Amino acid sequence: GDSVTQMEGPVTLSEEAFLTINCTYTATGYPSLFWYVQYPGEGLQLLLKATKADDKGSNKGFEATYRKETTSFHLEKGSVQVSDSAVYFCALSDITSYDKVIFGPGTSLSVIP
Amino acid sequence: GAVVSQHPSRVICKSGTSVKIECRSLDFQATTMFWYRQFPKKSLMLMATSNEGSKATYEQGVEKDKFLINHASLTLSTLTVTSAHPEDSSFYICSARDRGSTNEAFFGQGTRLTVV
Repeated sequence: GDSVTQMEGPVTLSEEAFLTINCTYTATGYPSLFWYVQYPGEGLQLLLKATKADDKGSNKGFEATYRKETTSFHLEKGSVQVSDSAVYFCALSDITSYDKVIFGPGTSLSVIP
Repeated sequence: GAVVSQHPSRVICKSGTSVKIECRSLDFQATTMFWYRQFPKKSLMLMATSNEGSKATYEQGVEKDKFLINHASLTLSTLTVTSAHPEDSSFYICSARDRGSTNEAFFGQGTRLTVV
């Protein structure tokens, strides 16, 4: 079945450092790809998404590009802030899986001043 | 964007009692809603798919008699944890897909269930 793999962390960075969180997926169809963020004690928020190959999703300085050839959707940010500390989930949704959202294990990010 | 409201946000109950969690789509109709469970420091595991007007579809390993799902209208799905035990303590999150516009999945705020 469909699945998502991502680096689990935890990741600790200094403020203004560059962030990369790797994500790869396995899908039988042609999925849409997402990054969700969960701040401490809160629910999920959609951070960005991409629906087809070579699409780049971006939001709040975060970016990820849908790479079909490598089945990847790595999350990047050029300069992280303390307020970016959260858990980040890579996810996919595929019509062949009845549009269920399937999540990766999550990556905990801590940004220190 | 669309809003999914989940209630309650926190609940504490005694072992053996039942707890109902509501998930509402506030400004769109959702024929399908999803229920997830999140263990501490873990990812979200899909429990079941809730279908309006029909039985829910449960993922493998999820006890359908323990986690009762009802999707009586296009804007409301409920998850009832029956005869709760401490091991049912977890964070439960619902999701609804807005097929009318963006076909995007929106998530509720989650419910922290503690069984004592």
